[in-house]
Amino acid sequence: DAGVIQSPRHEVTEMGQEVTLRCKPISGHNSLFWYRQTMMRGLELLIYFNNNVPIDDSGMPEDRFSAKMPNASFSTLKIQPSEPRDSAVYFCASSFGQGATGELFFGEGSRLTVL
Amino acid sequence: GESVGLHLPTLSVQEGDNSIINCAYSNSASDYFIWYKQESGKGPQFIIDIRSNMDKRQGQRVTVLLNKTVKHLSLQIAATQPGDSAVYFCEEKPGGSYIPTFGRGTSLIVHP
Repeated sequence: DAGVIQSPRHEVTEMGQEVTLRCKPISGHNSLFWYRQTMMRGLELLIYFNNNVPIDDSGMPEDRFSAKMPNASFSTLKIQPSEPRDSAVYFCASSFGQGATGELFFGEGSRLTVL
Repeated sequence: GESVGLHLPTLSVQEGDNSIINCAYSNSASDYFIWYKQESGKGPQFIIDIRSNMDKRQGQRVTVLLNKTVKHLSLQIAATQPGDSAVYFCEEKPGGSYIPTFGRGTSLIVHP
């Protein structure tokens, strides 16, 4: 039974480059979340989709960040241009239900290093 | 213990001891709480949940206690094992709307 699948697991890039992180939620889940985790800030919610529609993107840091969910089985988080302060682990999580009243199922994360 | 949004505390225990991890939540309207465990290099995983109409819930070796009066949540782990070493997060869910809020986490280190 596949869980939430994220790719790439690790990405090292140079400042100014475009970064695209990918997520495949658990089949049947209709809520998807992107989180960023750093030692300084902990787990920060970036954006929340319900039924492929962005519901809350107030956590997206700035215009350099964008997220899409073209269908129920795929989402992307894009950073363009990337900066060293974007270095973090980015998690995707999915759940079932309006407003995700149940538990979140997290992927293994994508560790991003921007040099 | 830990408070939502503050520094990451560390709890060190000996194998076999009981562990208590604390969480002070912020929203009095929160009606559902979840504890997650995050092992190194992995995403957080669900451990146990509790609704606000309860003050205690038990799982296998874990117990969650909820004190709504002082907005405090605790996770008790019985007979702690080295495999319990991880960062533990509490999540609160306010009723009526959904913005998941995680605490910074508590690092549990179990010494064999």
